[in-house]
Amino acid sequence: AQSVTQLDSQVPVFEEAPVELRCNYSSSVSVYLFWYVQYPNQGLQLLLKYLSGSTLVESINGFEAEFNKSQTSFHLRKPSVHISDTAEYFCAVSLPYNNNDMRFGAGTRLTVKP
Amino acid sequence: ETGVTQSPTHLIKTRGQQVTLRCSSQSGHNTVSWYQQALGQGPQFIFQYYREEENGRGNFPPRFSGLQFPNYSSELNVNALELDDSALYLCASSVLTPSYEQYFGPGTRLTVT
Repeated sequence: AQSVTQLDSQVPVFEEAPVELRCNYSSSVSVYLFWYVQYPNQGLQLLLKYLSGSTLVESINGFEAEFNKSQTSFHLRKPSVHISDTAEYFCAVSLPYNNNDMRFGAGTRLTVKP
Repeated sequence: ETGVTQSPTHLIKTRGQQVTLRCSSQSGHNTVSWYQQALGQGPQFIFQYYREEENGRGNFPPRFSGLQFPNYSSELNVNALELDDSALYLCASSVLTPSYEQYFGPGTRLTVT
């Protein structure tokens, strides 16, 4: 079965600094990959997804992630973070053509300091 | 277009009791998935319903059961509550094609004492 490992449980950074949140996946077959963000006391919101095609995917708020099949990674990056980016970020994996049994990582707590 | 809603927001139950959580899916979505998110952890898949039929189940005991109604809203029922059932329960609706994107509700915080 597919699985996800988020390598950092907490990432503190200063405002306007770059950030990378790391995600590695394990699967014997092709997968779909997702990044979700969760603000305090809220549900999850989709940031971006990789289904196929270009390995670099971008979100509307400046985040990007690159699918690397050889390294089985899907790291999330942002060149300059804002205080409002403080949240919990979850990497997730599912099998193609079906989104049941989506597997989530344990999450990375991003804290942006002024 | 209304988003995914869940009720109640918070709930406190006693060990051994039964609980029902409700979810209204986003307009046009025919698939609902339920997740359990324990404190400090990522969501864990409980089960999914597609057009009123169970369409996949995670590693949860049978005392976790669900329903999906003709309007695609859904219920999660948990019998014989245990302390470890305390968690945030998330519902997500979607259509299976083409994007497989799931839209999450705000969750129901269940506390079992």
